[in-house]
Amino acid sequence: DTGVSQDPRHKITKRGQNVTFRCDPISEHNRLYWYRQTLGQGPEFLTYFQNEAQLEKSRLLSDRFSAERPKGSFSTLEIQRTEQGDSAMYLCASSRPSYPGGGSPNYGYTFGSGTRLTVV
Amino acid sequence: GENVEQHPSTLSVQEGDSAVIKCTYSDSASNYFPWYKQELGKRPQLIIDIRSNVGEKKDQRIAVTLNKTAKHFSLHITETQPEDSAVYFCAASQQGAQKLVFGQGTRLTINP
Repeated sequence: DTGVSQDPRHKITKRGQNVTFRCDPISEHNRLYWYRQTLGQGPEFLTYFQNEAQLEKSRLLSDRFSAERPKGSFSTLEIQRTEQGDSAMYLCASSRPSYPGGGSPNYGYTFGSGTRLTVV
Repeated sequence: GENVEQHPSTLSVQEGDSAVIKCTYSDSASNYFPWYKQELGKRPQLIIDIRSNVGEKKDQRIAVTLNKTAKHFSLHITETQPEDSAVYFCAASQQGAQKLVFGQGTRLTINP
């Protein structure tokens, strides 16, 4: 499967515990994004990497959230001291670089299947 | 920042009829507008997108129209089939900003 892979698919954790999710993007995609989706809502942007550089973070990403992409390939999203409000689907996506002629930077934006987090 | 509003939240149509979903955006700098289809328990999948330098784009039974002046864009599905039943999301972004801002979603049900 050459799509975007996320692990684990499901995670149940007790409030206060730390959790870490992994995302493996499509290999030729240098951009990687994290989104959060709650039931009945559209995905909300959390953060974005170009190669290993984290270029933008949403204010939704509190101090308890941290994301890394150490070698510009896979990425991890860690949530410390989880709260019940963190329960959601965490989606990763990747995209290709812009065309040299200035084409859409979002061309080829592909989502993974997500990690569903339940905090009890 | 950008805000995207999507209507209706639910839509039920008879098989074979057309379905239209509308979105408005707030930031005139937005120039890329994709539509995603999400089936229950699955990932959002891109079905069609449009850039601000065109007003309409078609792909078989699916079309998207864009009115930059009014800052709204619409998804049109013709000859609907049961497999079109899903939640559809519109989104907007600015070239260079990378992130997508999504609408709230429309649950489309096709009745046989």
